[in-house]
Amino acid sequence: SQKIEQNSEALNIQEGKTATLTCNYTNYSPAYLQWYRQDPGRGPVFLLLIRENEKEKRKERLKVTFDTTLKQSLFHITASQPADSATYLCALPGDGANNLFFGTGTRLTVIP
Amino acid sequence: NAGVTQTPKFQVLKTGQSMTLQCAQDMNHEYMSWYRQDPGMGLRLIHYSVGAGITDQGEVPNGYNVSRSTTEDFPLRLLSAAPSQTSVYFCASSYSRGQGYEQYFGPGTRLTVT
Repeated sequence: SQKIEQNSEALNIQEGKTATLTCNYTNYSPAYLQWYRQDPGRGPVFLLLIRENEKEKRKERLKVTFDTTLKQSLFHITASQPADSATYLCALPGDGANNLFFGTGTRLTVIP
Repeated sequence: NAGVTQTPKFQVLKTGQSMTLQCAQDMNHEYMSWYRQDPGMGLRLIHYSVGAGITDQGEVPNGYNVSRSTTEDFPLRLLSAAPSQTSVYFCASSYSRGQGYEQYFGPGTRLTVT
């Protein structure tokens, strides 16, 4: 069965540095991958989608890469700020319709 | 637009009680779904719907029923609550039933079953 692993349950980083979060998957050949942000007590919020034919995608300070050979996506936040502190979830297509399989998330803390 | 709304925000049930978690969206989205989120497990799909009158099971459907009589509403029913259903429940919607569309999540319902 498909498996999604987000390495590092928690990641602490100094303000201004680049945070890099990892999402690995097995037994899967997804057509795309999504990243969401979740703040405590709130629902996830969509950040970025990257398709299998795209190696990299950017949105402001966010950058996502997708390596279908390594079966891995990297999520980068450059010039990190305390406001970036949250849990970040990666998600892959599920069975049918617009269903998603989610990783367990990485809790990022940006230290001032 | 209010987006995706969920009620109640918190609920405590006794084992065996029934209840309905409400979910509504005002974006005319075709696709709606219910997830539960448990520590260390991530979000898991319970049921989903690709339009009014159409529902299907997700990864963990046992103990839950859904219906979709309108485009806007997608209630989740627990017929006989069990402690294993203690969780945070999220409703989500997306514009299209097709794959690759971003999902909009509600604020969640925190359910405790004693």
